[in-house]
Amino acid sequence: AQKITQTQPGMFVQEKEAVTLDCTYDTSDQSYGLFWYKQPSSGEMIFLIYQGSYDEQNATEGRYSLNFQKARKSANLVISASQLGDSAMYFCASLGGGNKLTFGTGTQLKVEL
Amino acid sequence: EPEVTQTPSHQVTQMGQEVILRCVPISNHLYFYWYRQILGQKVEFLVSFYNNEISEKSEIFDDQFSVERPDGSNFTLKIRSTKLEDSAMYFCASRITTGTANYGYTFGSGTRLTVV
Repeated sequence: AQKITQTQPGMFVQEKEAVTLDCTYDTSDQSYGLFWYKQPSSGEMIFLIYQGSYDEQNATEGRYSLNFQKARKSANLVISASQLGDSAMYFCASLGGGNKLTFGTGTQLKVEL
Repeated sequence: EPEVTQTPSHQVTQMGQEVILRCVPISNHLYFYWYRQILGQKVEFLVSFYNNEISEKSEIFDDQFSVERPDGSNFTLKIRSTKLEDSAMYFCASRITTGTANYGYTFGSGTRLTVV
């Protein structure tokens, strides 16, 4: 079974600053993947970044990077140079030996001027 | 970029009525999913579908729910007799099995179902 914990219900960041959204996971699978999704107020789920458990390097996608610490079972999302359009709900999710994604409860990010 | 298409985007239905939510997955994808998100809560897995049959389902996916792939492109979720607590955003997703780092796991834009 997979479990995802996001301990920050809400975060504020100033425009152009970097922000880290926390995610810890619990899994008994040897091979697994970790995802981050952005959900704006319109409701759709937008894929941001993926990290495989055997990937040696941290994943990066533009302004998004994933700080993967396998021994600590953490997969924090770092957003650099925050923009007003980054204001949204962010979900961490895992995909293990089973078929389904398991999601955390999400972090509501608000970017301020 | 290929996308998963869901219709309708919004649906309002009376309690006890049947609803069918429709999805067109990405054409070369082989796994199909339905997820649900009650307002303000996390996204929850409902069911996965592979090779024309259910491969896994959650405890939420009880007898009032069913899924079908009636032709080569559509993937539907039917709720037989809707209840107030079925009000939620329903997401369809699809993926390939291997070949890309994130398995190509792609979500549709969702159907917001309101039961009144």
